[in-house]
Amino acid sequence: EPEVTQTPSHQVTQMGQEVILRCVPISNHLYFYWYRQILGQKVEFLVSFYNNEISEKSEIFDDQFSVERPDGSNFTLKIRSTKLEDSAMYFCASSEEGGTGNFGPGTRLTVT
Amino acid sequence: KNEVEQSPQNLTAQEGEFITINCSYSVGISALHWLQQHPGGGIVSLFMLSSGKKKHGRLIATINIQEKHSSLHITASHPRDSAVYICAVNQGAQKLVFGQGTRLTINP
Repeated sequence: EPEVTQTPSHQVTQMGQEVILRCVPISNHLYFYWYRQILGQKVEFLVSFYNNEISEKSEIFDDQFSVERPDGSNFTLKIRSTKLEDSAMYFCASSEEGGTGNFGPGTRLTVT
Repeated sequence: KNEVEQSPQNLTAQEGEFITINCSYSVGISALHWLQQHPGGGIVSLFMLSSGKKKHGRLIATINIQEKHSSLHITASHPRDSAVYICAVNQGAQKLVFGQGTRLTINP
């Protein structure tokens, strides 16, 4: 069964550094999402992406964040200048028709 | 802004028991979702509901749109059902608002 994959599984970075989290969605899916979960807290929606553009984003998704689908297969989340509070598990998801989608295994981002 | 509340926050039961997890939300929605988060952190979508009831194996999800309430039931619970169960509602076409989750532990 096809799966969403994410790399790396764990990323450690220093405050102020840029990070790029990578996702490979399921190939025939059209909707792509990023969510995050700070340790011990609830899952939060960051952004949805459809037809090569952002379709919705949350208040969390400020100018420090950007998403891209650079080559038709990868879907990336970039954080320009990381802060300590960006430490979280970041989940990518994809779906054919909307909804929550199929989730990837997550990337744990630790900002020191 | 939609608020999503789940109850209980934690639930411990014996194998075989019938389990009910509740979700309430404050603003009308187009769809409600139930997800399962495994102890290792992975998340699986269980149901998407806009009305009525859905069943998959031992899992049943219901929604009452007028009362802004949904329930997730597990029949004949098993230790492998131990996980965090999360309710989420659509706010906008794609944006989701998540509940805080219900941690379920089934003891053998």
